[in-house]
Parts: sequence; structure tokens; C-alpha cells
Amino acid sequence: EAEVAQSPRYKITEKSQAVAFWCDPISGHATLYWYRQILGQGPELLVQFQDESVVDDSQLPKDRFSAERLKGVDSTLKIQPAELGDSAMYLCASSLAGRTNYEQYFGPGTRLTVT
Amino acid sequence: AQSVTQLGSHVSVSEGALVLLRCNYSSSVPPYLFWYVQYPNQGLQLLLKYTSAATLVKGINGFEAEFKKSETSFHLTKPSAHMSDAAEYFCAVTRRAGNEKLTFGTGTRLTIIP
Repeated sequence: EAEVAQSPRYKITEKSQAVAFWCDPISGHATLYWYRQILGQGPELLVQFQDESVVDDSQLPKDRFSAERLKGVDSTLKIQPAELGDSAMYLCASSLAGRTNYEQYFGPGTRLTVT
Repeated sequence: AQSVTQLGSHVSVSEGALVLLRCNYSSSVPPYLFWYVQYPNQGLQLLLKYTSAATLVKGINGFEAEFKKSETSFHLTKPSAHMSDAAEYFCAVTRRAGNEKLTFGTGTRLTIIP
């Protein structure tokens, strides 16, 4: 069964350092989402792509976070510089394109710890 | 705007007992609703979804949920709890527009007592 791949699974970094996460969606899924899940809370959307275009990045802290999906397939989320409050699980999800597709498939996530 | 409220951040039930996890939603447009399960340090797995067909939805692992518009609820149930059901459960809502973001509740941690 096809799955969303994410790497690394765990990352420990010091504050003020740069960190990057990678996501490879299920083949053929045009829509890609990055969610952030703070411990004890539900996931919250950071950015949504349709192919290589950003659809929604209203909750992305653009002063330190950036996201790209250059060829409309895999995606990278970057934080520079990392802050203590960025410690969280970063989840990538993908779905088929189209107005009747609602099911999002999640990857295993990247657990970030900022020290 | 849409939101989800999950009543009870922690629920404990005995093995073999009924599981009931509560979810109430708020939405200015007709919603689609989902339940996801998350095991420690893993991603989210879809349990079931309501997308305007039958109001009683059956999912994986013996779970089901009923959409009640009058009560704005989408509670998750399972007749008989199993030890493997211990996990975090999230209710989520989205608009009926396709490829929209999910808005999640804060989650309910389910503990199964042997």
C-alpha cells in the first residue's frame, strides 16, 4: 500500500540553527499539506500546495519558515532560525486533486526538539 | 469558520466495555467530519469519515460514528474495547469543497484498563 514518506523521523537541533524536513507524497497526489502538532494538541495547517503552487500559507510564520514543492512532487519545509517554541511533530499529508476528494493520508511525521 | 470540540482529554474504559469519545463541531457551512487515530510517535490513521451519505458511518477496527445535525455531534463508539485501542483520537472537520484543510480537535487519549 502506498504511503507518505517523511524524513528524518526525529531531529534534535539547537535554537538559532536551521533545520529542514522532507516529504514524499503518495504517487499521483496533487495536494500536499504540512501540519504542525504541538504536544497535547491537534495538528494545525502550516501550508497547503496544489501541485507546485501554494494554496494556503496563512498560518505559516513566514519570518522563519519556508516551504517549497518545486516540481509538484516532494516537498521541503525549512525553519531558520529554530526557536524553542518550534518543538513539535511536523506532519505531512497528501490527497488526490479534485472537489470530491476529502481523504488525507498522513506520513509518520518528524519529531523536532529544539534545545 | 469551523471548529471541533472534543469533550474529555482523557478517557479510561475497561477491556470489553463500551468506548464513547465525544466530538461536537461548529461550522457555518455543511461539514464533512473525520475521526483519526494516532499511536505514539506516529502519524494519523483515518478511522472513518462522514461525507453526506449515511449518517451512521462504520470504520476500521470496529469503530463507528453517527452524524447528528440537530446536536452538531459526531461521537465515536465501539461496543467492546480492546487493549490495542489505546491511543490518541482526533476529530476533524472540513468544508464540503474538496481538498480543504482539516481543522482538528485537541484530541482524546484513550486508556484501556485490563
